[in-house]
Amino acid sequence: NAGVTQTPKFQVLKTGQSMTLQCAQDMNHNSMYWYRQDPGMGLRLIYYSASEGTTDKGEVPNGYNVSRLNKREFSLRLESAAPSQTSVYFCASSVRPDGELFFGEGSRLTVL
Amino acid sequence: TQLLEQSPQFLSIQEGENLTVYCNSSSVFSSLQWYRQEPGEGPVLLVTVVTGGEVKKLKRLTFQFGDARKDSSLHITAAQTGDTGLYLCAGGNAGGTSYGKLTFGQGTILTVHP
Repeated sequence: NAGVTQTPKFQVLKTGQSMTLQCAQDMNHNSMYWYRQDPGMGLRLIYYSASEGTTDKGEVPNGYNVSRLNKREFSLRLESAAPSQTSVYFCASSVRPDGELFFGEGSRLTVL
Repeated sequence: TQLLEQSPQFLSIQEGENLTVYCNSSSVFSSLQWYRQEPGEGPVLLVTVVTGGEVKKLKRLTFQFGDARKDSSLHITAAQTGDTGLYLCAGGNAGGTSYGKLTFGQGTILTVHP
């Protein structure tokens, strides 16, 4: 059982470069999320998709864009990476918007 | 913006000791979830409490949701080295513009020494 799969697991970027984090879930969940985790700050919601075809901003959306490609896939794009975006990014999914979150293993991004 | 204040931020104890982690807010939440995260992995749900005053037990872990649904606690009895990890609380919002957006506390890093 794969659950939530994120790629890549590690990435180093230079300031100004762009990249896309991919996320796929095989649990037929309706809702998907992107969080970032920084030391001492818990998990902060970047964007989420309550259901296929919808996306909404979270707490820290600036500098990011998302695409809910289909029910399984939810990607996060950094158009012009900045050092402040150095973080560990987690994708998660849930059956319903306020339900239990199932997380991927995380993607560690470093922006130089 | 709803905030969840989690304390303490760090906890270092010996095996066999008891501990309590607190999660407090001035906002009312429809539910409160507790997650545990190990290094290099994503958080995993431990429990969800939804009713004010609710107490749930998971082996040596006891979770309580405050009567007013603004706070919660996690108590571990006789801690073991396997309890080491990051513990996160997360408040659920019943509706409105915040529906579906869980609010996470800052986390408590627990280290249990043998």
